[in-house]
Amino acid sequence: GESVGLHLPTLSVQEGDNSIINCAYSNSASDYFIWYKQESGKGPQFIIDIRSNMDKRQGQRVTVLLNKTVKHLSLQIAATQPGDSAVYFCAENGVSGNTGKLIFGQGTTLQVKP
Amino acid sequence: EADIYQTPRYLVIGTGKKITLECSQTMGHDKMYWYQQDPGMELHLIHYSYGVNSTEKGDLSSESTVSRIRTEHFPLTLESARPSHTSQYLCASSEGGRGFGYTFGSGTRLTVV
Repeated sequence: GESVGLHLPTLSVQEGDNSIINCAYSNSASDYFIWYKQESGKGPQFIIDIRSNMDKRQGQRVTVLLNKTVKHLSLQIAATQPGDSAVYFCAENGVSGNTGKLIFGQGTTLQVKP
Repeated sequence: EADIYQTPRYLVIGTGKKITLECSQTMGHDKMYWYQQDPGMELHLIHYSYGVNSTEKGDLSSESTVSRIRTEHFPLTLESARPSHTSQYLCASSEGGRGFGYTFGSGTRLTVV
């Protein structure tokens, strides 16, 4: 079946360092990708998205990179802060047609050490 | 400020009780979704709706049911709660189509004792 996977279930970084969270997707038909951040006890929140006609997109302290050749997506967080501690999910639209359904990865827990 | 609301945030209920988890959105989105999630774990789609009077079962089999009588409202009902239903339930909505993401509610943490 379709799946979106993350390479590491947990990532621990020092405050102030840059974080890189990776995601491998399996569906070549996916043309829209999103990163979500989920803090403890809350619903996932949109961080940044990217369409397949782009390789890179930058937001505030975050950058998403898309490598369609190897079907790889990454989220880079600059100068990681304690408030960045959360579970991060990547998502893709797969072959959903016009249904809008997203396929979510398994999540990576980011732990920021003070 | 959230545009999608879930109530209650927390619910502890006895086995066999009927419960309804509420989800409402003010964005006029046609597409709405229910996910079941254990803490920090994968999101499993259990129900979705493309619009009023449209509901479909998701990828994960669930004993719950949903209804969509109004665009803004997508409640989930468990006729007889069991301990195996203990989980977090997340509601989301979307403008729809291939190039749109979801807006999630804050979730309902359900515990069945």
